[in-house]
Formats: sequence, C-alpha cells, structure tokens
Amino acid sequence: AQKVTQAQTEISVVEKEDVTLDCVYETRDTTYYLFWYKQPPSGELVFLIRRNSFDEQNEISGRYSWNFQKSTSSFNFTITASQVVDSAVYFCALSEAMILSGGYNKLIFGAGTRLAVHP
Amino acid sequence: GAVVSQHPSWVICKSGTSVKIECRSLDFQATTMFWYRQFPKQSLMLMATSNEGSKATYEQGVEKDKFLINHASLTLSTLTVTSAHPEDSSFYICSAPPIGTGFYEQYFGPGTRLTVT
Repeated sequence: AQKVTQAQTEISVVEKEDVTLDCVYETRDTTYYLFWYKQPPSGELVFLIRRNSFDEQNEISGRYSWNFQKSTSSFNFTITASQVVDSAVYFCALSEAMILSGGYNKLIFGAGTRLAVHP
Repeated sequence: GAVVSQHPSWVICKSGTSVKIECRSLDFQATTMFWYRQFPKQSLMLMATSNEGSKATYEQGVEKDKFLINHASLTLSTLTVTSAHPEDSSFYICSAPPIGTGFYEQYFGPGTRLTVT
C-alpha cells in the first residue's frame, strides 16, 4: 500500500539557517510521482515540485533543493538560508501512475512538517 | 496558470443544517475533481473523487449519504454536508487536474473552513 512518512512533526530554526525536511515513501509500483506542497497559515496549498520515479536527478530552485533517492525511498527537501516567510506546513505526497486506465489517481499526503523560522 | 476557486471561503452553520461548498475550475475543464478534508494540525485526507456525468467515488469510511457530491459540469463540483454536526467542522479543499494533463497536474482550491455550532 502507498504510504508517506514525514517523521518531523515540527521544526524550529532561526533565520538564515539551512533546514532539511524528510520524506520517506512506500509504494509497490515502479511508476509513481512525488510532490512537495507548502501550506502557509492562509491554508491554500502551494505546489513546489513534482518528480517522477524515473528521474532521480536532484533539483535546485533558488533556495530550495530536493534530493530524491530511490534506494532509500526518500525525497527530502532542503531550504537554504531560511527566511521567516518560509514558515508554513510542508507536505510530501505520492501518487501512483494509472497509465493503463488513463484515469486519475489520488494523492497520498504525509502528515506534514510544521516549519517555524524565527527572526 | 490554472485557477480553482471555492465558495464560500468560510461558513458557520448550526448543527442539523446542510451546507453546500462549490469548487470551480476557472480557466480549464476537469472531468475529475477531488475533495479533501483537513482537521486542525493534521494532514489532508481524500474524501472522494468527483466524476463529471457519473457517481462520485468515496474513500473507505466516508459516508456518501452525508457528504453528497455532484459534478454538474466540467467546471463545477459541489460538496454538500448534510445534517452537519460539530464533528464535521473542518477545512475542506478541492483539487482538479485539467483534462488531458494527467493526474499529476492537480490544482488546489483555497479551501473552505466549515464550523458547525
């Protein structure tokens, strides 16, 4: 069965510190997608990244970077030089592909990690 | 970019009443929309998958008679919480993948906060 584990419930850092949010997933499929979303206090989910299971290349986008390792079933997210505006809940999510049926599959969310960045 | 709206953004209702929440895709069409529920400080849990022109698919443990879903058109899905009770108070979020983009391009609405008194 699909499962996403975000072991860190809450993280508190001081501005300009680097912080890594862990995500470990379980799936039986060889084709799947992994996501990270940010949920600020307003509640609206903000899409950060999507990665398919065949692309293990790490990605960097500004202060954000993602490390995907299939060998350990992990998809970790690092924020470099954190800022107060990064304070939010971050969710890792997994979706298995439904290529044959052409249907839409659901997203399985982790429990989320609440990040507090203090000035 | 693709935009999904929800209405209302928040609602307070009395126990026993019904509440309708709308989810609209503003600049794209979607044959499928997803409804999630999020309790305070918890994760998003999928409640049901709304399908245009057919019945919704409910996740295990979700009462389909209590949470009525209607996918009236390619841009509108509604969730009606019938006979709401305080335990139904939650943050309800919808999402929609545009037709032809596959499941991995889901756009989320801003959410509706329901409080049942």
